[in-house]
Order: sequence, then C-alpha cells, then structure tokens
Amino acid sequence: KNEVEQSPQNLTAQEGEFITINCSYSVGISALHWLQQHPGGGIVSLFMLSSGKKKHGRLIATINIQEKHSSLHITASHPRDSAVYICAVRGPGGGADGLTFGKGTHLIIQP
Amino acid sequence: GAGVSQTPSNKVTEKGKYVELRCDPISGHTALYWYRQSLGQGPEFLIYFQGTGAADDSGLPNDRFFAVRPEGSVSTLKIQRTERGDSAVYLCASSLDPGPTDTQYFGPGTRLTVL
Repeated sequence: KNEVEQSPQNLTAQEGEFITINCSYSVGISALHWLQQHPGGGIVSLFMLSSGKKKHGRLIATINIQEKHSSLHITASHPRDSAVYICAVRGPGGGADGLTFGKGTHLIIQP
Repeated sequence: GAGVSQTPSNKVTEKGKYVELRCDPISGHTALYWYRQSLGQGPEFLIYFQGTGAADDSGLPNDRFFAVRPEGSVSTLKIQRTERGDSAVYLCASSLDPGPTDTQYFGPGTRLTVL
C-alpha cells in the first residue's frame, strides 16, 4: 500500500507570502492529485499530474517521479486560499485503484 | 451542470442500527468511488465501481459495509450494525472515464454520527 506523507501539517502565513506544500509517496504511481478542501467538507480537484509541472492562476504543481515527490506552490497568497490541501495518489493500476490520500496540510493565510 | 450530490447531508443514528447513504454521480460518469474521512485525517478509499460492478472493494473495513450501484448511476453505501467508530464523513466521487489521468469530482459528503 502506498504511504503518502505531507508536510507541513499546519501552516500559517501572511497575505502575499509564497507558499509551498510538499508531498512524498512510497510506491510508483500512475497519477498524483492535489485537492482543496474547505470547511464543511467540499473537495475540489486542483491538479492532476503524472509528470513535470502544471500552472493554474497563482497555483503551481510539480512532480518528480524519480524522487516520488510533489510540491504545490501558491504565489501571492490570499486569505481566501485558506483551506486544507490534500495530496492523493493513484496506484500503477490506473483506473482500477482508488486514490490514497495524505492527511492534508491545513493552511491559514492571515490578512 | 449538476455536480455530485449526496444524501442525507447529516445522519445521526444509534449504535447497532442500519444506515444507507446515497450518492448521485454526475450524469454520464461511469466510475464512482466511495471514501471515508475521519476527523483530522485524509480521506480513505472504500470501494470503486465501474458501471454496475464493484471493480475494487478492498477498502471496505469489514462485512458490515456493502455498496451497490444497480443501474450504473446512483450508488448506495449500506452499513449494518453501526458502531461508534463508523462515525465519519462519507465522500462520494465520480469520474467520466477511469483512466489513470481522469479527474474525480467529489460530492459534499454525508456526515455520519453513531451515538
């Protein structure tokens, strides 16, 4: 079973700061997802990566398959970015595997 | 269009009772997933359907848990003889095509509390 570790578990920063959240996993994967969960439970998919780098607005996600590591970056952070960010991986079986999730990083951006 | 919906949003039950949780996926999505999220933890995979069949039920914790998707659309997660440890948010997600790079769309979850 894949072990997914995220760091930090909690992060408080000031508005405008550059944010990095890290994710490492133990076994080869077919894809890695970054998800955002707001209070109340709703989960939104931010990125899905199998290699390289993706950018959407102020969010950037990178993955290094050899090192089994991914990072999520937020530039010019804003209080509305406050949420739990979850890394999830899909096993090498692709569609036959459900996602394995990290415990999440609780991000608070203070004005 | 409509996203994934789940009912009820909250369910409080007593230990030993039977509960059913419903998931309505996005229309046309063939893959459906159930996850469970305990307080302070990331979600945990329970079961995955491709069409009407359970392609992977390896995450179901024991035989008190069962899920069906008889017509390949709506799914029901059934929990018998509920225990206090079953209290969690139960999340459903669907995707169009269960390839390795499909996007899963999550419902709002059902918060189950077993007293």
